[in-house]
Amino acid sequence: GENVEQHPSTLSVQEGDSAVIKCTYSDSASNYFPWYKQELGKGPQLIIDIRSNVGEKKDQRIAVTLNKTAKHFSLHITETQPEDSAVYFCAASRGDGGSQGNLIFGKGTKLSVKP
Amino acid sequence: DAGVIQSPRHEVTEMGQEVTLRCKPISGHNSLFWYRQTMMRGLELLIYFNNNVPIDDSGMPEDRFSAKMPNASFSTLKIQPSEPRDSAVYFCASRSTDTQYFGPGTRLTVL
Repeated sequence: GENVEQHPSTLSVQEGDSAVIKCTYSDSASNYFPWYKQELGKGPQLIIDIRSNVGEKKDQRIAVTLNKTAKHFSLHITETQPEDSAVYFCAASRGDGGSQGNLIFGKGTKLSVKP
Repeated sequence: DAGVIQSPRHEVTEMGQEVTLRCKPISGHNSLFWYRQTMMRGLELLIYFNNNVPIDDSGMPEDRFSAKMPNASFSTLKIQPSEPRDSAVYFCASRSTDTQYFGPGTRLTVL
């Protein structure tokens, strides 16, 4: 089955710097890759997702890139702000809406943005 | 839409007691998931329903755990009897096509 590895487990950056979180997956049939942000005491919130028919997607300060050949995808946050501090999870699925479409999550990255 | 609703938000109980967690999915979503989150094990999928029918319960840790979805707008996760190692945050999520939306979670503490 699918296995998702996420690195680093912790990341500390200075406000205004960029942050990059990387994930690899094992199932070549996976075609849907969401990223979730979890703030303390809250549930994971979807922040951006990408499907295998595109290589990059941007939404203001966040972007996700996908390399299907290498089976890895990354989250990029530019101009980081203290409110970006949270735990970020990547996930992968086959995106078919059935049981094969269940998300497999990475272990998470705790991002700290220092003012 | 109010999003996925879970209750209670916090539950403290004593070992051996029955615990029932509740979830109301987003209207129109046909899939519902129960997850457990701990520091040691991260996010674990416990059980998944599609159109109110349990599809995969391989993540349910023991027979002490059971889940039901009597209709499209309500699901419960029950632990009976509860044990200290069940202490965790339990999330419910519902899905439309590919995207899962999580509720705020129930923080369970079993003393």
